[in-house]
Amino acid sequence: DVVMTQSPLSLPVTLGQPASISCRSSQSLLYSDGTTYLNWFQQRPGQSPRRLIYKVSNRDSGVPDRFSGSGSGTDFTLKISRVEAEDVGVYYCMQGTHWPPYTFGQGTKLEIK
Amino acid sequence: EVQLLESGGGLVQPGGSLRLSCTASGFTFSSYVMSWVRQAPGKGLEWVSAMSGSGGGTYHADSVKGRFTISRDNSKNMVYLQMNSLRAEDTAIYYCAKGQTFSDLDYWGQGTLVTVSS
Repeated sequence: DVVMTQSPLSLPVTLGQPASISCRSSQSLLYSDGTTYLNWFQQRPGQSPRRLIYKVSNRDSGVPDRFSGSGSGTDFTLKISRVEAEDVGVYYCMQGTHWPPYTFGQGTKLEIK
Repeated sequence: EVQLLESGGGLVQPGGSLRLSCTASGFTFSSYVMSWVRQAPGKGLEWVSAMSGSGGGTYHADSVKGRFTISRDNSKNMVYLQMNSLRAEDTAIYYCAKGQTFSDLDYWGQGTLVTVSS
């Protein structure tokens, strides 16, 4: 199974400051069709996960443009340009290239400093 | 508007069975892969099972293989998870989720809590 490793696991951020979360996979997520199936999810306290980013860098409908995804191969990053209070929660990366199983990172807990 | 509503969770003794249901609306159900993902209390996300839109392809995590079975009824826009031989480590919130392909989970329900305890 592909292992997804996120860092940091805890991310205290000052309001209005940028934040960055790294996700590394144990093997390349580039699929034979040329697509990289790497997603980012946000889970706010008490809520179910919500997809933010799909295929590395595509924002879902309704996701603020302060969220961006980048990366290739085995190294990926989720960036928030200016953190707002509503961004508090846990962020997960997930690979859908080598399935089954889909595998998730451990989660990164973002809190306001 | 896409909606996924899980039901059927509850308290069950070790070794017991439970069937979860997920009712879908707001999209062409038979065109989407449906999955179950769980989250143990205070822990991360673990994919459990997935099924193709037609029902012809099913997949389960090794941790539940032989004990859990995913199924769907496209005439009712519902997906199910039959859980047998339940163990304490199966205690979790179970979410159903949809995806355009097996490589994605684009929308999740609110989840249903399963507690396995004597």
